[in-house]
Amino acid sequence: EAGVAQSPRYKIIEKRQSVAFWCNPISGHATLYWYQQILGQGPKLLIQFQNNGVVDDSQLPKDRFSAERLKGVDSTLKIQPAKLEDSAVYLCASSLQRDQPQHFGDGTRLSIL
Amino acid sequence: GIQVEQSPPDLILQEGANSTLRCNFSDSVNNLQWFHQNPWGQLINLFYIPSGTKQNGRLSATTVATERYSLLYISSSQTTDSGVYFCAVSPKGANSKLTFGKGITLSVRP
Repeated sequence: EAGVAQSPRYKIIEKRQSVAFWCNPISGHATLYWYQQILGQGPKLLIQFQNNGVVDDSQLPKDRFSAERLKGVDSTLKIQPAKLEDSAVYLCASSLQRDQPQHFGDGTRLSIL
Repeated sequence: GIQVEQSPPDLILQEGANSTLRCNFSDSVNNLQWFHQNPWGQLINLFYIPSGTKQNGRLSATTVATERYSLLYISSSQTTDSGVYFCAVSPKGANSKLTFGKGITLSVRP
C-alpha cells in the first residue's frame, strides 16, 4: 500500500512570498489532516478534512493560510504572504475514518528568509 | 484541552539496553498513537493503542486507559532506535485531531 505522498520535500522562500504544498493521502482514506511542526516541538493540527468538508480549522491562521480538498482526495495548503515564524515542517496525515490510526507523509520543510 | 506529558525528556542508552518511555494524559481518549521521528524527520507510526497491550518485534506498548497512561518498551536497543518518540492522543467526544506530547529524545550509543 502506498503511503501518504507530499511535495515538495523542501522549499525556501522570502518573507511575504506565497507557497503551496500538495498532499495525496492513502487510497480510500476519508480523513485528511495538515499539521505544522516547529523545530523542537510536536506537530500541531492546522486543519482536518472529512472527505471534502472541513471538520476543524480552529488553529489555522486564516488571514494567511488556506487549504482545500476539492474532490475529497488530494489536498493543497497555501500560505500567502509568508512570515518568518512560518518556518516549519508541514506534515500531511490521513486515516481511514476519524479515530482510526493516522499515517503521516514525509513532510515539507519550509524555510523563510 | 487535553494535556499530554512524556517522560523522561531525554534518554541515553548503550546499545543492547532496555528502556521504558511513559506518556500521561489528562482525559479519556479515543485514540492514542506512539510515533518514532527519525533523524530525517519522518514520523513512523509505531502503535495505535487506545487501550490494551501490543507487541511488534523488540517494541511493545501498554495503555491503561482507566489510569490515563501509556508505556512504550524498547528491548535490546539498537542505534537505529535513536530519534524522538512522540505520544499523541485524541480525546473522547471531540474530533479526531491528535494532540502531541513534547517528545522523548532517545540516543542509543554503540
